[in-house]
Amino acid sequence: EDKVVQSPLSLVVHEGDTVTLNCSYEVTNFRSLLWYKQEKKAPTFLFMLTSSGIEKKSGRLSSILDKKELFSILNITATQTGDSAIYLCAVEVGWWTGANNLFFGTGTRLTVIP
Amino acid sequence: EPEVTQTPSHQVTQMGQEVILRCVPISNHLYFYWYRQILGQKVEFLVSFYNNEISEKSEIFDDQFSVERPDGSNFTLKIRSTKLEDSAMYFCASRDLAGGQYFGPGTRLTVT
Repeated sequence: EDKVVQSPLSLVVHEGDTVTLNCSYEVTNFRSLLWYKQEKKAPTFLFMLTSSGIEKKSGRLSSILDKKELFSILNITATQTGDSAIYLCAVEVGWWTGANNLFFGTGTRLTVIP
Repeated sequence: EPEVTQTPSHQVTQMGQEVILRCVPISNHLYFYWYRQILGQKVEFLVSFYNNEISEKSEIFDDQFSVERPDGSNFTLKIRSTKLEDSAMYFCASRDLAGGQYFGPGTRLTVT
């Protein structure tokens, strides 16, 4: 059975702290791993990772994938209250580069205190 | 920036009624999806759609569900006879050839 596990389930930090969110997976037919930020409603796309060891960065956020150990981390440096959200890890599974579906973890709820 | 749009934002219906949830994917995207999220639970895949046909569907997507792309822009999810357990947030998503899936704002369906 395909499985995506995120840790921790929740995290409370102070503004300015650095956080690391974890995602491990066990799936068949791995295509890519994606990170999303979910505030009130829709998941907002952050990163898509397909290759091991290549860091993707966007401002204070960065992410890396390890396909050998089957995990990814999402780092947020100098956290701000606007970073408070649920961060979702999703693994794209499928047989071909087409309409492959995403298998989601339960998310990490991050709360940043001023 | 182009975005996926969904209507309505909230739909309340009685058990047994049919509902149609509407989505307009990003215009140059080729692959379309429906997901749902029951309150407090994880996002679950329902169905994917490509080249005017279903590519894959989950166990949740039974005979009560159907999808359609009636024209060049809209993508709809129909639930024929709603049940209480269909109450959830329904997300439409789309992607192009190489990129990630982009989600719409969702439709909250409440079945009473």
